[in-house]
Amino acid sequence: EVQLVESGGGLVQPGGSLTLSCVASGFTFSNSWMHWVRRAPGKGLVWVSRIRGDGRSINYADSVKGRFTISRDNAKNTVYLQMNSLRDEDTAVYYCGRDIHIAAADSWGPGTLVTVSS
Amino acid sequence: QSVLTQPPSVSAAPGQKVTISCSGSSSNIANNYVSWYQHLPGTAPKLLIYDDNKRPSGIPVRFSGSKSGTSATLGITGLQTGDEADYYCATWDTSLTVVVFGGGTKLTVL
Repeated sequence: EVQLVESGGGLVQPGGSLTLSCVASGFTFSNSWMHWVRRAPGKGLVWVSRIRGDGRSINYADSVKGRFTISRDNAKNTVYLQMNSLRDEDTAVYYCGRDIHIAAADSWGPGTLVTVSS
Repeated sequence: QSVLTQPPSVSAAPGQKVTISCSGSSSNIANNYVSWYQHLPGTAPKLLIYDDNKRPSGIPVRFSGSKSGTSATLGITGLQTGDEADYYCATWDTSLTVVVFGGGTKLTVL
């Protein structure tokens, strides 16, 4: 059974940093693209970033480019999202997902809440 | 402002059918596969349709997807109260080199 579990969320001040983790199990992690998406309160789902199985191809949404860094450790079956220069508008529940085909992720974690506030 | 345009809300009675549209362009929907997700805040997103019209294992046949040109459509038949959720289309945008989501459509089963 595929399982994804996010962690690392919390309360951070504007301008601060936070690193999210997503631990995967139940599939060959190194073969899968992985995505991060988020949903802010009262808003819709928004795609954040994705990383290829070997870590050598990465894409970011314009809203986070230059501030967020996605990475992975295939030995630990873990994908990360390092978030710097956080803004109020980054407040959201962040979800990681396993890609089965472009823009199609069939398994998702329960999410981790990031709150950016002073 | 989302690259993909969806109606903010749709509604129908239990047992009826509803369709949700997703409008894009030649750089996204017209030339890339479309996926559809169901999401309730605080829960994990659920993939309903991928590759325009394929259903993952465990998704009922009540859910269907289609695409024509720069638009895609999600159909749900035999509506149930448990189908009340937000629905999103998603695809790759070749020009922007990003995954794009629609703004979401809230389904109400009256």
